[in-house]
Amino acid sequence: GAVVSQHPSWVICKSGTSVKIECRSLDFQATTMFWYRQFPKQSLMLMATSNEGSKATYEQGVEKDKFLINHASLTLSTLTVTSAHPEDSSFYICSAKHTGLLRETQYFGPGTRLLVL
Amino acid sequence: AQTVTQSQPEMSVQEAETVTLSCTYDTSENNYYLFWYKQPPSRQMILVIRQEAYKQQNATENRFSVNFQKAAKSFSLKISDSQLGDTAMYFCARGGGTYKYIFGTGTRLKVLA
Repeated sequence: GAVVSQHPSWVICKSGTSVKIECRSLDFQATTMFWYRQFPKQSLMLMATSNEGSKATYEQGVEKDKFLINHASLTLSTLTVTSAHPEDSSFYICSAKHTGLLRETQYFGPGTRLLVL
Repeated sequence: AQTVTQSQPEMSVQEAETVTLSCTYDTSENNYYLFWYKQPPSRQMILVIRQEAYKQQNATENRFSVNFQKAAKSFSLKISDSQLGDTAMYFCARGGGTYKYIFGTGTRLKVLA
């Protein structure tokens, strides 16, 4: 199956600092990637859709200036949490949309645990 | 609103037995995809099985199969010969094309030895 990597897997930072999370599709090109947030024992909450070469589409209630998304290439999307605060602590998951052979599927990265102190 | 409903928050099954997880969804589109994803304790989302809505034949992947009822908007997952490694959270999702994926609230499955 298609492989998506995410880095870092774990990050602890001080309040007020910025954190960048990378999402890479390793063996396929993805014009569309997605960023999700997951709280403990809950489902995935879509934050934004990242489109290669264009601006990301944010879901209602997600601050675009807080969560900066860049999709500079067909294999890399980044999420930067700016001026992080403790309430931003969460599990962030990216996915990449694979459309090979017309069999569209989202493949997920392993996630990033963010703890803001 | 487009929704995906998983009505079973938790389920358990004896090892080697069969279990079925339910999922219903709401959509106004005709062409879409349905998925079951597994999230083990590592929290890595793993694709279990997918179904194209235009296909009448139910998808199967080894021990995993679905019962897709398009008119009823139902998409259940059957796990045969359950194994301890099947213990995980299972999410049903609907998506495809220009439509964002919508996930259900999940069913926590525990396989008992």
